[in-house]
Amino acid sequence: QLQLQESGPGLVKPSETLSLTCTVSGGSISSSSYYWGWIRQPPGKGLEWIGSIYYSGSTYYNPSLKSRVTISVDTSKNQFSLKLSSVTAADTAVYYCARREEVVAAGGAVWFDPWGQGTLVTVSS
Amino acid sequence: DIQMTQSPSSLSASVGDRVTITCRASQSISSYLNWYQQKPGKAPKLLIYAASSLQSGVPSRFSGSGSGTDFTLTISSLQPEDFATYYCQQSYSTLTTFGQGTKLEIK
Repeated sequence: QLQLQESGPGLVKPSETLSLTCTVSGGSISSSSYYWGWIRQPPGKGLEWIGSIYYSGSTYYNPSLKSRVTISVDTSKNQFSLKLSSVTAADTAVYYCARREEVVAAGGAVWFDPWGQGTLVTVSS
Repeated sequence: DIQMTQSPSSLSASVGDRVTITCRASQSISSYLNWYQQKPGKAPKLLIYAASSLQSGVPSRFSGSGSGTDFTLTISSLQPEDFATYYCQQSYSTLTTFGQGTKLEIK
């Protein structure tokens, strides 16, 4: 059974860079069928997609965050990572990693499943 | 960006009730619509993909319908474990977006 686990600092200072890693177990991150994504959720609010990456390193980002986001992959460790620079209090959120699945038979429909348990990152001095 | 609007934002219901949650897209998204369930302190869980396909392992009391701009999630007979927040998500655009959520509470 595929599992994802986020890890990284729970507290980041304003203007610094948030760094998180997602470790995938029970399956290979190098599967040609999937992208891998990051989604965040500010406390008490809704979900925001941050970006996604393919095992080859191909990425695409939410334009609203693109200037500050870098997502990378390490296939040797079965991990992918998120870096978000110049953080402010508005970046305080639970950060989730998830597998992005696209099924041609479903007309190219795309969804996230499964998700990691999430990790709360607070931006504060 | 494609805006997703859910209604209602919150809903009180009783065990055994039939409940419907609506999601409207700001433009046509064909059937590229997914539904998730989120319980407090937990990650979202996929319920329905491609508007009406039930994810493996999800109880059959959950169903989805719609296409274009208007979609519904129906729970045919509420169970105690169904009280949660529900989100829709469009994947028509590369910039995938979520609805604001519908909180389903016990009456």
